[in-house]
Amino acid sequence: ETGVTQTPRHLVMGMTNKKSLKCEQHLGHNAMYWYKQSAKKPLELMFVYNFKEQTENNSVPSRFSPECPNSSHLFLHLHTLQPEDSALYLCASSQAVWGAYEQYFGPGTRLTVT
Amino acid sequence: AQKITQTQPGMFVQEKEAVTLDCTYDTSDQSYGLFWYKQPSSGEMIFLIYQGSYDEQNATEGRYSLNFQKARKSANLVISASQLGDSAMYFCAMREGDTGNQFYFGTGTSLTVIP
Repeated sequence: ETGVTQTPRHLVMGMTNKKSLKCEQHLGHNAMYWYKQSAKKPLELMFVYNFKEQTENNSVPSRFSPECPNSSHLFLHLHTLQPEDSALYLCASSQAVWGAYEQYFGPGTRLTVT
Repeated sequence: AQKITQTQPGMFVQEKEAVTLDCTYDTSDQSYGLFWYKQPSSGEMIFLIYQGSYDEQNATEGRYSLNFQKARKSANLVISASQLGDSAMYFCAMREGDTGNQFYFGTGTSLTVIP
């Protein structure tokens, strides 16, 4: 595997379910990110991890819970979601959170909440 | 106020022609970075080009160049010699600060290259 991988690619869940999204980066990067992409809205940065430490929660509802066990893996745990949470969830990584280091994105998980 | 503004929801360009995608940004920081990404229909975001706020020269990467006008706070992407594979969504983004949590994207421009 190369780059940034995400599983599953598609997920349909009911509002009472609990599920997790997984992201893995094979680039040796130190920072990882979760983004939410909704139609006709800018990408929303949800969580940032720098050297496995969460730097800030950008006012994300508590029904989204991130986990970063090491610098290569990032999870997003989902529970009691709402239909408006349906979106494309993108994971990204970068060498560092500062400077010219671009973010490398995974293919995303298309989430539908029913 | 929006940090990144992309005013062109959709653009069309003839194959082999050049096209400019507009981006304006809002920041009071002296140190910031500007990025352009491409998102094909497959969904994966692909990094294209970077411009630092202190860079005096416009960034170039192959057929991509960034027209950086600091006083106007604009960072337009120029794609030369358009190809059919350039059809995609294009996003302008800005990094403020050094903590990683100040990274903002625009709403994107959909580019269609016409044969």
